[in-house]
Amino acid sequence: AQSVTQLGSHVSVSEGALVLLRCNYSSSVPPYLFWYVQYPNQGLQLLLKYTSAATLVKGINGFEAEFKKSETSFHLTKPSAHMSDAAEYFCAVSGEAGGTSYGKLTFGQGTILTVHP
Amino acid sequence: DTEVTQTPKHLVMGMTNKKSLKCEQHMGHRAMYWYKQKAKKPPELMFVYSYEKLSINESVPSRFSPECPNSSLLNLHLHALQPEDSALYLCASRPARPSNTEAFFGQGTRLTVV
Repeated sequence: AQSVTQLGSHVSVSEGALVLLRCNYSSSVPPYLFWYVQYPNQGLQLLLKYTSAATLVKGINGFEAEFKKSETSFHLTKPSAHMSDAAEYFCAVSGEAGGTSYGKLTFGQGTILTVHP
Repeated sequence: DTEVTQTPKHLVMGMTNKKSLKCEQHMGHRAMYWYKQKAKKPPELMFVYSYEKLSINESVPSRFSPECPNSSLLNLHLHALQPEDSALYLCASRPARPSNTEAFFGQGTRLTVV
């Protein structure tokens, strides 16, 4: 079974500071990993995805993540936080879309990011 | 068009009512999903349809009845719900292949059962 663990349910940073949101995965096969962002009362928007092409993945809004197999991690970073980054962030793992899991996503518990002026 | 459209955005229903949630996409995705999200929790998978066939039912109570009439449309029929079923219901779609593609989510239906 695949799973992800997000360390820290709440992260608070000052505007302009580094953002680091942590995600560790567990998978017996090479995983497909995703970071999604959710603003209040809205759906989920993809920030970036790891699909084994490159270990450093760049996404939208200045976010990036590095896949580290030795640490089973896929942490999300942004060099300089903006007030508009305040939201909830979910790390997710999926298996093969053509396999028995039909590409379903398994989400971490989420991390709420607060950005202070 | 990279949108997944869900209607209605908000729904209030009584415990004896019958209602339906609708989800539509025109990206040619052949895998479609229903997720339920309670407040301050991650989305939880309810159902998966692959090529219009129900492929996964995560032991969801029968008061929730999914339907996939065609490759663009996914419905969730609701009957005799309980107040604890109040949640945000999210629809998602993705190509059935290749595996490295992301899922696209709709904006959700906020359901309140009274």
